[in-house]
Amino acid sequence: GQQLNQSPQSMFIQEGEDVSMNCTSSSIFNTWLWYKQDPGEGPVLLIALYKAGELTSNGRLTAQFGITRKDSFLNISASIPSDVGIYFCAGGSGNTPLVFGKGTRLSVIA
Amino acid sequence: DTEVTQTPKHLVMGMTNKKSLKCEQHMGHRAMYWYKQKAKKPPELMFVYSYEKLSINESVPSRFSPECPNSSLLNLHLHALQPEDSALYLCASSRSGRGNTEAFFGQGTRLTVV
Repeated sequence: GQQLNQSPQSMFIQEGEDVSMNCTSSSIFNTWLWYKQDPGEGPVLLIALYKAGELTSNGRLTAQFGITRKDSFLNISASIPSDVGIYFCAGGSGNTPLVFGKGTRLSVIA
Repeated sequence: DTEVTQTPKHLVMGMTNKKSLKCEQHMGHRAMYWYKQKAKKPPELMFVYSYEKLSINESVPSRFSPECPNSSLLNLHLHALQPEDSALYLCASSRSGRGNTEAFFGQGTRLTVV
């Protein structure tokens, strides 16, 4: 089945630093989604990407849909303590359900 | 409004109990999902309902029984669960059951089986 490789698995950064994480796949996706999950809560949709090459921002977050349609990255600029959580990428295509990456656990040191 | 509401938020049940998890959305979405999530893992798909019909069952044990009474509601009936079934159960919805649409998640039900 389709699988996503999400990296890094975890990262510790200083408040104010920029963060970058990415997902890659051996399969093509038509949609890339990025979610953030806080402990004990459901994932919250941050950004949705629908076109190869698309670059979309949501506040301090920027995500891109790779040209090959096999990868996507998420950048967070000037991180703050509330950015702490687990970030999941998800790829979608056709009639198959979303495929999730294994998550990037972000810790921010004040 | 992108809200998916799940009840209860927490549930503790014995292995002989019968309980139900409930999920509701009013976004006019025609696909609804149940996911199971263990600690430090991504959500794992259990069931997909598309236009109120079960379209995907990911080989889930029969002690989990989904039900979709109408396009806004999704239930998960639980019976004779095992301690290893303890997890965060997430409901989600999307415009359609196709993989290339955004899915919105509820806040989850934290289930503990004792």
